[in-house]
Amino acid sequence: IVVTQTPLSLSVTPGQPASISCKSSQSLLNGYGNTSLHWYLQRPGHPPQLLISEVSNRIPGVPDRVSGSGSGTDFTLKISRMEAEDVGVYYCMQSKQLPWAFGQGTKVEIK
Amino acid sequence: LQVQESGPGMVKPSETLSLTCTVSGGSVVSDRYYWGWIRQSPGKGLEWIGSIYYSGSTYYNPSLERRVAISVDTSKNQLFLRLNSMTAADTAVYYCARHGLFDPFDPWGQGTQVIVSS
Repeated sequence: IVVTQTPLSLSVTPGQPASISCKSSQSLLNGYGNTSLHWYLQRPGHPPQLLISEVSNRIPGVPDRVSGSGSGTDFTLKISRMEAEDVGVYYCMQSKQLPWAFGQGTKVEIK
Repeated sequence: LQVQESGPGMVKPSETLSLTCTVSGGSVVSDRYYWGWIRQSPGKGLEWIGSIYYSGSTYYNPSLERRVAISVDTSKNQLFLRLNSMTAADTAVYYCARHGLFDPFDPWGQGTQVIVSS
């Protein structure tokens, strides 16, 4: 399964929304009825940090201005109001089928 | 729970890379969790290398399967990665992380940089 992110880079004015798309080559609905698509943020010099699991489950501590949505093969990560701490590279990842795979990453900067 | 990678930092072309991941604050013995290795290079982004269950069952990325071996020592709470025939293309930051069967990798270690150079 290949996961493709767009855009590859994004420059966002503080307070404005941002949106990242992730499309998979096959449905990510697994045999347990859940969808194995997750989102990470990687800040410079740090490992990826899990933000959202299974499409829309926000990890504790992640601000509610960050949200995930989608189903099947099309998924979106949205930041409702861009803040400085949101800067970094965002990755989607599928864990439905081996080999697990990551998107190419979307670099998000403050304008 | 924390995971911490360690390794040589630099290897020569054609040599074998050996890395260790030490788990603290929890046990590698878990019915629910697997332990994975992931690497990140500028050219190829994030790439899953392989994973292991505490019983020793392993799953490898087909792109690396011929060169990789992952093992576990439950008595030491450690995982090991061996990657042979190293080339410059294997230069990357190598991470270990915990995951469930269909679950995301979380948490991750801080990563260990590996440079392949003569």
